[in-house]
Amino acid sequence: EAQVTQNPRYLITVTGKKLTVTCSQNMNHEYMSWYRQDPGLGLRQIYYSMNVEVTDKGDVPEGYKVSRKEKRNFPLILESPSPNQTSLYFCASSFTGLGSYGYTFGSGTRLTVV
Amino acid sequence: KNEVEQSPQNLTAQEGEFITINCSYSVGISALHWLQQHPGGGIVSLFMLSSGKKKHGRLIATINIQEKHSSLHITASHPRDSAVYICAVPVSNFGNEKLTFGTGTRLTIIP
Repeated sequence: EAQVTQNPRYLITVTGKKLTVTCSQNMNHEYMSWYRQDPGLGLRQIYYSMNVEVTDKGDVPEGYKVSRKEKRNFPLILESPSPNQTSLYFCASSFTGLGSYGYTFGSGTRLTVV
Repeated sequence: KNEVEQSPQNLTAQEGEFITINCSYSVGISALHWLQQHPGGGIVSLFMLSSGKKKHGRLIATINIQEKHSSLHITASHPRDSAVYICAVPVSNFGNEKLTFGTGTRLTIIP
């Protein structure tokens, strides 16, 4: 089954404790992206990757890191999480970064930083 | 002004009613996406369209490129249609077309 797999689904952590949210896709998509969703603000792009070893900042990259060492994986790293990073996070992939291809979303990760 | 605006923000209707959700955008686009987010949080892609109309079951999406407007219609609505519906457009960003999202329409269908 074609899918984007995110882990974990839920995570509660403390301020400053490094964490990684994993994202993996099995569709050989070139484009992958991370979004956060906050009430009243909708979905906002954090980082995206056009292909292996090609990543760039989205609209809200502060406090986040990413890497794309393999085509299928695109982990989101919070080196020192803070409470304002409490949010619902989604990973998505698409055949290319051009918007004329469909997107597949992961199930989401609900992160709480206390 | 947001590049993508949806209306209404919230919509409550009786089962069986015909539903219309609107999306207006202010930039030139290659395609527009309609997404569905269920109460559990997961996001599913419903439609991607660049012209005309698409239909999938009871869902119909239309787009008017000249007017920069799209609508999502649900015929014979059912409580299981209750979800947040989000439109998204790819906005050109230095060679990358990243998705820009509307803030969503929360639809509640009452039995």
